[in-house]
Amino acid sequence: EAGVTQFPSHSVIEKGQTVTLRCDPISGHDNLYWYRRVMGKEIKFLLHFVKESKQDESGMPNNRFLAERTGGTYSTLKVQPAELEDSGVYFCASSLRRLAGLGEQYFGPGTRLTVT
Amino acid sequence: AQKITQTQPGMFVQEKEAVTLDCTYDTSDQSYGLFWYKQPSSGEMIFLIYQGSYDEQNATEGRYSLNFQKARKSANLVISASQLGDSAMYFCAMRFRNNQGGKLIFGQGTELSVKP
Repeated sequence: EAGVTQFPSHSVIEKGQTVTLRCDPISGHDNLYWYRRVMGKEIKFLLHFVKESKQDESGMPNNRFLAERTGGTYSTLKVQPAELEDSGVYFCASSLRRLAGLGEQYFGPGTRLTVT
Repeated sequence: AQKITQTQPGMFVQEKEAVTLDCTYDTSDQSYGLFWYKQPSSGEMIFLIYQGSYDEQNATEGRYSLNFQKARKSANLVISASQLGDSAMYFCAMRFRNNQGGKLIFGQGTELSVKP
């Protein structure tokens, strides 16, 4: 069974440009999460999809970030326009069931975003 | 507010010895789950071990065990017989059984270095 995949693995862009990150969850996993780790800080939750619906987007930093999950399969996270403070590693995770203890979250390898 | 604290930014351990990575948490919820993840230099997040708040016994998974002390709100990870491949970042995380959607709250991480 394929794990969670993310593309690209690395992205270097200039301030003001647009970047789109992609996450393919494990097949059949309804729950998809985006997290971010800014350099030296803890990993922080961004948002949660259940199938194609946004369940919780309380962690999205501002309206420059747009996440979609059309069709309830893969998800994209677009940053437009990118700022220097957006640099970090963006993780995607998926799970079969969302209740604690009943659905382990499987993480992708992350996308390292560098904004110069 | 729910919070996870890992007070050890870095730890060293001699190969074949045991090491304890500290994790304390703050929550008023009674029902929650505690997780440990490993992040090697390659970047992926690897699930290690889980402890439910109502579990009476400490969780164990191979060389990993979780020293769960509910009254003290601590969930320390114990790695026995350390191996060179254990060198990595280790994150403690918490999740809740209520309708918070299953998002994980992470600590700052501990970087473990295993010396030969």
